[in-house]
Amino acid sequence: AQSVAQPEDQVNVAEGNPLTVKCTYSVSGNPYLFWYVQYPNRGLQFLLKYITGDNLVKGSYGFEAEFNKSQTSFHLKKPSALVSDSALYFCAVKASGTYKYIFGTGTRLKVLA
Amino acid sequence: EAEVAQSPRYKITEKSQAVAFWCDPISGHATLYWYRQILGQGPELLVQFQDESVVDDSQLPKDRFSAERLKGVDSTLKIQPAELGDSAMYLCASSFGDGTEAFFGQGTRLTVV
Repeated sequence: AQSVAQPEDQVNVAEGNPLTVKCTYSVSGNPYLFWYVQYPNRGLQFLLKYITGDNLVKGSYGFEAEFNKSQTSFHLKKPSALVSDSALYFCAVKASGTYKYIFGTGTRLKVLA
Repeated sequence: EAEVAQSPRYKITEKSQAVAFWCDPISGHATLYWYRQILGQGPELLVQFQDESVVDDSQLPKDRFSAERLKGVDSTLKIQPAELGDSAMYLCASSFGDGTEAFFGQGTRLTVV
């Protein structure tokens, strides 16, 4: 069965500092991995995905994520956080050949000025 | 840029009443999803369509919820009768195919009173 874990309910970081939001996954077969961001009372907005190829993927708004197959992780990173990055972040996994996306419970990111 | 359209954005209804939500996916997207998101939690899949066919409705409370996508384009999710515990954000998403990300609408915030 597919599953996603986001071990931190909340991450606090000072503006200008690097940020990391953690995600681990479990899936049979090759994983497709995604990060989404959600602002209050809005839908989920796609940030980036890993399908195949380079383990480091770059996405919108300066975010990137590193796929680590041995640790079954897909952590979201940004070199320098902005206050406007404060939002709820979701990791999702989909097994190749299926259409079902499984979401983690979300991590609230707070960037402090 | 193409978007997933949902209506209404907000809905307040009394318990035991019927309520319906509408979704128009991005043109050409064969796969359509309805998710429910409790405040502060990750989205949970209710039903998934491939064209007009339901491919996963295992988490849909079928005694009160129904979903259809008659022509394989737009979709309606209905709740009858609504219960207090149905208060949540209902998100519609669509995707083109395997390996592609899902695009989400803005959601319908349902409050049952």
